[in-house]
Amino acid sequence: AQSVAQPEDQVNVAEGNPLTVKCTYSVSGNPYLFWYVQYPNRGLQFLLKYITGDNLVKGSYGFEAEFNKSQTSFHLKKPSALVSDSALYFCAVSASSGGSYIPTFGRGTSLIVHP
Amino acid sequence: KAGVTQTPRYLIKTRGQQVTLSCSPISGHRSVSWYQQTPGQGLQFLFEYFSETQRNKGNFPGRFSGRQFSNSRSEMNVSTLELGDSALYLCASSMGTEITYEQYFGPGTRLTVT
Repeated sequence: AQSVAQPEDQVNVAEGNPLTVKCTYSVSGNPYLFWYVQYPNRGLQFLLKYITGDNLVKGSYGFEAEFNKSQTSFHLKKPSALVSDSALYFCAVSASSGGSYIPTFGRGTSLIVHP
Repeated sequence: KAGVTQTPRYLIKTRGQQVTLSCSPISGHRSVSWYQQTPGQGLQFLFEYFSETQRNKGNFPGRFSGRQFSNSRSEMNVSTLELGDSALYLCASSMGTEITYEQYFGPGTRLTVT
């Protein structure tokens, strides 16, 4: 069975500082990894994905993520945090199993950026 | 393009009743997935429909069902509601059913069961 872990329920960072939101995964076969962000009372918005190729993936709003196969990680990063980045972040993994797939989401990490 | 729309946005039902939620995907998107989001369990996959056929199914009881129409609009039905069904139900659409496609989520329907 596949799984995703977001080890931190909450991450606090000062505006202007770099931020990292951690994600590790476990799948059989090739992983397809996604990051989504959820603002209060809104649905999830797609940020970026890793399918294959370059391990460093760039996405929306200045976010990027690094795929590390040996550590089975896909951490989300941003060089300089903004107060408006404060939201709930979800990591997700999909892997094909018998011709079908079920996407699995992490529990979410609340990012709080302080002015 | 208009985003994914879900109706109604809020719903209050009583235990034992049934409920139907509706989702209209982004124009051109043929895959629609449903998720249940709760503080305790997080985001859990219910099922996915593509071209009116259920393609993938999560680990939920048979009280949860869905369907997709020829225009890709989808409905989700929950029968014999239980208190534990109180949750935010999210619909997501994507271009296709390929594993690599990202999903676009609607704002959700907040269901409260009393």
